[in-house]
Amino acid sequence: EVHLVESGEVVVQPGGSLRLSCAASGFTFDDYSMTWVRQAPGKGLEWVSLINWDGAATFISDSVKGRFAISRDNNRNSLYLQMSSLTIEDTAVYYCAKGGNSIWDGFDHWGQGVLVTVSS
Amino acid sequence: QSVLTQPPSASGTPGQRVTIPCFGSRSNIGSNTVYWYQQLPGTAPKLLAHTNKDHRPSGVPDRFSGSKSGTSASLAISGLQSEDEADYYCAAWDDSLNGVLFGGGTRLTVL
Repeated sequence: EVHLVESGEVVVQPGGSLRLSCAASGFTFDDYSMTWVRQAPGKGLEWVSLINWDGAATFISDSVKGRFAISRDNNRNSLYLQMSSLTIEDTAVYYCAKGGNSIWDGFDHWGQGVLVTVSS
Repeated sequence: QSVLTQPPSASGTPGQRVTIPCFGSRSNIGSNTVYWYQQLPGTAPKLLAHTNKDHRPSGVPDRFSGSKSGTSASLAISGLQSEDEADYYCAAWDDSLNGVLFGGGTRLTVL
């Protein structure tokens, strides 16, 4: 069974930095692309970033370009999101999700999400 | 503002068939598979359907089906049930943005 577990809830000050982690199990991690999707309180889903199976190709939303970076460690079955220069608009639940064998196959399994609160 | 456009709300009565549209453009829906997600209150999204008719997500009832025509897609739910009350999102890759777009979401109410 596929399991995706993001790191715990956190509070960070505006301008601060944070690295989210997602531990994956139940599938061959290095066969699949992975992604981060966020959801601000009471709002819809917003795609953040995607990485292909070996990390050679990454894609990122214009809304976070230059501030966020996605990476993965296939030896540790883990996905990461390095976030910097955080603003209150980055406050959201961040989900990691499993993609497919190619860049765009949708996201068939999702983690439970981790709430990131940017507040002074 | 989402480039994939969905109506903010939809409704139906138990047993009814409802459809939720998603409007895009040539660079997204017109060129790539569209995926639909269901999000129940307080839970993570769940893959529900897509426009690749050769494959259905495992474990999803065949009451849910996705289709597309040109630059628009739709999710059809037949035999509507009270537990279908949720938010529904469409998503597609955009070749111009080189990234993923989500629709703004449609809240489905079962009357």
